[in-house]
Amino acid sequence: NAGVTQTPKFRVLKTGQSMTLLCAQDMNHEYMYWYRQDPGMGLRLIHYSVGEGTTAKGEVPDGYNVSRLKKQNFLLGLESAAPSQTSVYFCASSYATSKSKNTEAFFGQGTRLTVV
Amino acid sequence: ELKVEQNPLFLSMQEGKNYTIYCNYSTTSDRLYWYRQDPGKSLESLFVLLSNGAVKQEGRLMASLDTKARLSTLHITAAVHDLSATYFCAVVAGANSKLTFGKGITLSVRP
Repeated sequence: NAGVTQTPKFRVLKTGQSMTLLCAQDMNHEYMYWYRQDPGMGLRLIHYSVGEGTTAKGEVPDGYNVSRLKKQNFLLGLESAAPSQTSVYFCASSYATSKSKNTEAFFGQGTRLTVV
Repeated sequence: ELKVEQNPLFLSMQEGKNYTIYCNYSTTSDRLYWYRQDPGKSLESLFVLLSNGAVKQEGRLMASLDTKARLSTLHITAAVHDLSATYFCAVVAGANSKLTFGKGITLSVRP
């Protein structure tokens, strides 16, 4: 049972470099989320998607882009990494409210990103 | 905009004693979740509370939801070291069911 899988688990980037984080889920969930976690800040929503081909901004979207070309995958891109983007990134997925009142989110293992 | 507040942010607990932590939120919602996170790990789902008055229990933890007061409580009975972790509550709101988290409460159980 894979659940939610994030790739990579660790990465070090230089300022200005770009990268893409991949989130894959095998639970046929409609909703997918990208969060970042920083000490003392809890989890803050970056972007989310309510279905294939749709994305929306969360609380802290600046400097990030996302795409959801396939239902099972949600990609988070950093076009020009900055030290302020050093964080732990979590992907999550859940059922849509129209299909289930229980919209519990299941989380991946996280990606620890350091921008130097 | 939905705001989720947890307090206290840090709690030092003595083994064997009872404690309660709180989560309150700013807009109407009938769905609230509690998660646990161990250092360096991902989030593990503890409870799903889906209606006013809902109460769920698992071991030494009991969670309840009061949607009228927009408040959830997590009660800890006879704290043990294994309960040391950070506990997050999260609330669903809005047409697209955005899941908004509180900042978390770090619990530390001392002998």
